[in-house]
Amino acid sequence: SQKIEQNSEALNIQEGKTATLTCNYTNYSPAYLQWYRQDPGRGPVFLLLIRENEKEKRKERLKVTFDTTLKQSLFHITASQPADSATYLCALGRDSGNTPLVFGKGTRLSVIA
Amino acid sequence: DARVTQTPRHKVTEMGQEVTMRCQPILGHNTVFWYRQTMMQGLELLAYFRNRAPLDDSGMPKDRFSAEMPDATLATLKIQPSEPRDSAVYFCASGTNPNYGYTFGSGTRLTVV
Repeated sequence: SQKIEQNSEALNIQEGKTATLTCNYTNYSPAYLQWYRQDPGRGPVFLLLIRENEKEKRKERLKVTFDTTLKQSLFHITASQPADSATYLCALGRDSGNTPLVFGKGTRLSVIA
Repeated sequence: DARVTQTPRHKVTEMGQEVTMRCQPILGHNTVFWYRQTMMQGLELLAYFRNRAPLDDSGMPKDRFSAEMPDATLATLKIQPSEPRDSAVYFCASGTNPNYGYTFGSGTRLTVV
């Protein structure tokens, strides 16, 4: 069956450092992968999409990589700030249409000042 | 900013009662999803619609759950009868193109006692 694993439930890092979150999947061939941010009591908010034929995508302090051979995506936040503290979810999409996403359970990031 | 609006935000009900959750998707979004989030399972797809037509509701317990889109501005999720194991946060999301991600509402936190 399809399985998506995010490397850890929680990650604590010092302000200013780079946070790296991992998303691994099995038994799935996604057309793209998305990352979302979720704050307590709120719905997930879309951050980035990376397609299967792309290696890397950047947006401001965010960088996402996608390795379909390793079946893994890495999500980096550089120069992390306490305001980056949240849960980050990876989600896989199976084709280019508006089909449902399959989500990982998320990694709770805490950036300590 | 356009938002997905969900009502109610919180609902506490007794086992056996009917629960109706409502969602107003973003105007112009042709795809609407219902997800359920729990600590144990994370985000799970319950049902989704495109242009108001149901495409997949295989994630729902059909004997008690039903999802409809009576018009383009309203999606509903009903549980009848509700059970304690239905306690979760229910999210509605809408979108048109995965490049822009899906927009989630703030969710309905359901507690069945």
